[in-house]
Amino acid sequence: SYVLTQPPSVSAAPGKTARITCGGENIARKHVHWYQLKPGQAPVLVISYDSDRRPGIPERVSGSNSGNTATLTISRVEAGDEADYFCQVWDSGSDRWVFGGGTKLTVL
Amino acid sequence: QPQLQESGPGLVRPSETLSLTCTVSGDSISSSTYQWGWIRQSPGKGLEWIGNMFYSGSTYYNPSLQSRVTISVDTSKNQFSLEVASVTAADTAIYFCARNCGGDCYFDYWGQGTLVTVSS
Repeated sequence: SYVLTQPPSVSAAPGKTARITCGGENIARKHVHWYQLKPGQAPVLVISYDSDRRPGIPERVSGSNSGNTATLTISRVEAGDEADYFCQVWDSGSDRWVFGGGTKLTVL
Repeated sequence: QPQLQESGPGLVRPSETLSLTCTVSGDSISSSTYQWGWIRQSPGKGLEWIGNMFYSGSTYYNPSLQSRVTISVDTSKNQFSLEVASVTAADTAIYFCARNCGGDCYFDYWGQGTLVTVSS
């Protein structure tokens, strides 16, 4: 089945840029969706279809997808961005939704 | 916007059946536009899709869990349910219900999740 690989952790200082990657074979041929998870809260869809920012998500959050890597970019990082972030695709080969292992964003 | 809320026992004994319910408000699970699914997150691990249900009640599951999982619907209560049979410690996780637009689409609304621990 299709595998999505994310770095376990990423850190950034307030005001800097955080980039969270999601690797997969020819992932550019798939649609990638990104979620933010905070403890005790419902997960939030932040980016759909590679780069579509969801309503209510600030413009400093963006997504891209090329080759074997999709990237979630958070500019001007704030303390409130600290969370786990997961990428997700539909794997037509195995008829299942697949999630990455998740990346913990730490704001220094 | 729809709201989803999971409910069910927080502790299940090994070899027994885990049963959870998702109550939906602000949307009808009988709508043909959406599917309704279950996803779980094991401690310290990533998310794992369990299965989805169509408005008609038909279902499809993660092949790795298919033999032990059943999703069912109660349209009169606007609820859908999850059962996982023959649980082991590996089924200990936070279980989420969510709405999905099907195909290669996303899960746009989620419940807060409920922790289920498998232990004797």
